[in-house]
Amino acid sequence: GENVEQHPSTLSVQEGDSAVIKCTYSDSASNYFPWYKQELGKRPQLIIDIRSNVGEKKDQRIAVTLNKTAKHFSLHITETQPEDSAVYFCAASKGSNYQLIWGAGTKLIIKP
Amino acid sequence: GAVVSQHPSRVICKSGTSVKIECRSLDFQATTMFWYRQFPKKSLMLMATSNEGSKATYEQGVEKDKFLINHASLTLSTLTVTSAHPEDSSFYICSASASGNPGANVLTFGAGSRLTVL
Repeated sequence: GENVEQHPSTLSVQEGDSAVIKCTYSDSASNYFPWYKQELGKRPQLIIDIRSNVGEKKDQRIAVTLNKTAKHFSLHITETQPEDSAVYFCAASKGSNYQLIWGAGTKLIIKP
Repeated sequence: GAVVSQHPSRVICKSGTSVKIECRSLDFQATTMFWYRQFPKKSLMLMATSNEGSKATYEQGVEKDKFLINHASLTLSTLTVTSAHPEDSSFYICSASASGNPGANVLTFGAGSRLTVL
């Protein structure tokens, strides 16, 4: 079955710098790749997603890139701010059953 | 946007008792709901997938007799932790996806329920 690996597990960056989180997936049939942000004790919130028919998607300071050949996708956050501190999860799914296979999460720490 | 309401947000119970957690989709019909368990500083662990009107599909290692899931309507799914033990203490989160939604892969999460078993 599908396996999603996420790196790094913890990422500490200076406020204003960029942060990049990477995920790899194993099943070439996966076609949907969302990123969720979870603040401590709160529900995961979708921040951006990408489908397999595009290679990049951007929304203000957040962007996601997808390399189908290499089977990896990355989250890019530019001009990081303190409120970006959270745990970020990548996920992958295929077909229409909506089941997501989750990465292990990355704790992003923004240093003032 | 789509909203999923989950209750209770926190529950403390004695060992051996049962606890029911509800997950409701407030403004859309959720044909599929997912139940997760999350340990501190860990990822979401899918417990089961429930489709309205049919039996839930449990992930390997999840005891179906211990974690009873009911999805009797398109807006309500419940998770009952039966004969709870301290090791069942965890953060339980539901998520739902709408039927016939062009963006059907998008999940909406409940706020989660923190269960503490004494």
